Parts: sequence; C-alpha cells; structure tokens
Amino acid sequence: GESVGLHLPTLSVQEGDNSIINCAYSNSASDYFIWYKQESGKGPQFIIDIRSNMDKRQGQRVTVLLNKTVKHLSLQIAATQPGDSAVYFCAETHNNDMRFGAGTRLTVKP
Amino acid sequence: KAGVTQTPRYLIKTRGQQVTLSCSPISGHRSVSWYQQTPGQGLQFLFEYYSETQRNKGNFPGRFSGRQFSNSRSEMNVSTLELGDSALYLCASSPGGAWATNEKLFFGSGTQLSVL
Repeated sequence: GESVGLHLPTLSVQEGDNSIINCAYSNSASDYFIWYKQESGKGPQFIIDIRSNMDKRQGQRVTVLLNKTVKHLSLQIAATQPGDSAVYFCAETHNNDMRFGAGTRLTVKP
Repeated sequence: KAGVTQTPRYLIKTRGQQVTLSCSPISGHRSVSWYQQTPGQGLQFLFEYYSETQRNKGNFPGRFSGRQFSNSRSEMNVSTLELGDSALYLCASSPGGAWATNEKLFFGSGTQLSVL
C-alpha cells in the first residue's frame, strides 16, 4: 500500500555542520508535504511545508526540497545547533488523508 | 495565546475499560484532529473535527470515537481497551479552513495511555 518512509532512523552531526534528513513517499498524488520536529516529551512542532507545485522552499536555517520524479523529500538544516536535537518526520497529505514517516532522530554533538 | 492543552497527561487503564481524553484547542481554532503515536506504527491520523462535525477519518476501528463541542474543545473515546492501544495520543488544532491541504497544525503535548 501507500507509505511514507525515512531512509535513516538516526543521524548524528557536529554542531555547526549542515544536516540533511530524507524522506521517501510512494503516493505520487500527494499534494502537500510537511516537516515536523518533535522534542522529548512534547508534541510535534511544524517546521516547514511545501506544496507539490514547488521544488524548494526556504525558511529560517531550514530548506525543504521536493523531487517529484523520484518521490523524495528532504529537510536541510544549516549550521545545526544543539537545540535542533530531536526526532524529525515528514508528512504527506492527499484527499484529506494525512500520513507520517517513521521519523529520524537527529543528535547534535558539541 | 495559550497553546493546545491536553488532559490528562498520563493515564493507566486495564484491558476492557474505556477512556476519554480531552483537548482544548488554541483560541479561535475550529479544527481539532487526533493522532496516535506508537514506537511501532509511528504517528497515525485518527480523525478530524470541524464545527462539531467529524470531517475526516483515518483507518481505525469503531472503538475509537470522538466529538467536538460548540467551543471547539474535543474529546476522544476509546472503548474496550486493548493492550495495543497503549500509545501517546496527540491532538492538534488549526484555524480549520484548509486542514491537511495548506494549514499549519499546532500540537499539544499528548496524553500517554498505558493499557495493562
């Protein structure tokens, strides 16, 4: 069936480096994608979103790239900071159904 | 502005019991949606309410139900609890006009339900 998945369950980066978190999706009809950040003991927090008619969207220190050809979504975090340590997961929506990826745990080493 | 509030924070129940969880959305938000998060299945959408009506529903059995009140506060109920219902239950609120299409969700911290 359709699914949203992540390539890597964990990612460890050095403080100050850039981080790239990936997500694969299988529903080519999905039209809206969101990245969430979830810190321990908290609910998910919206980071950035992108519609299917876009390839790239930038926020503050974050960039989301959408490659519809290979159905791949990525989140780039510039100059990763200790406060960025969390679980990141993507979500896709289509026909008022929302599906989430399993999540990648990002650890930032000082 | 106060965030999304979920009560209780923790809950322990036994198999066969039923449970009711509560969610107070951000003031002015009319859409409330519910999600189940487990280590095995990750985050899964349960249902979404708007103006006291269930507008969208995920793929969960009928034991999972919910409702929304005129002040947009929402409750979800799980009847005949099973061990597999142990999870973090999250609710999120949004203004409501474009849930799941172009609208940011604001999540609460969740209710951790343990079924023994």
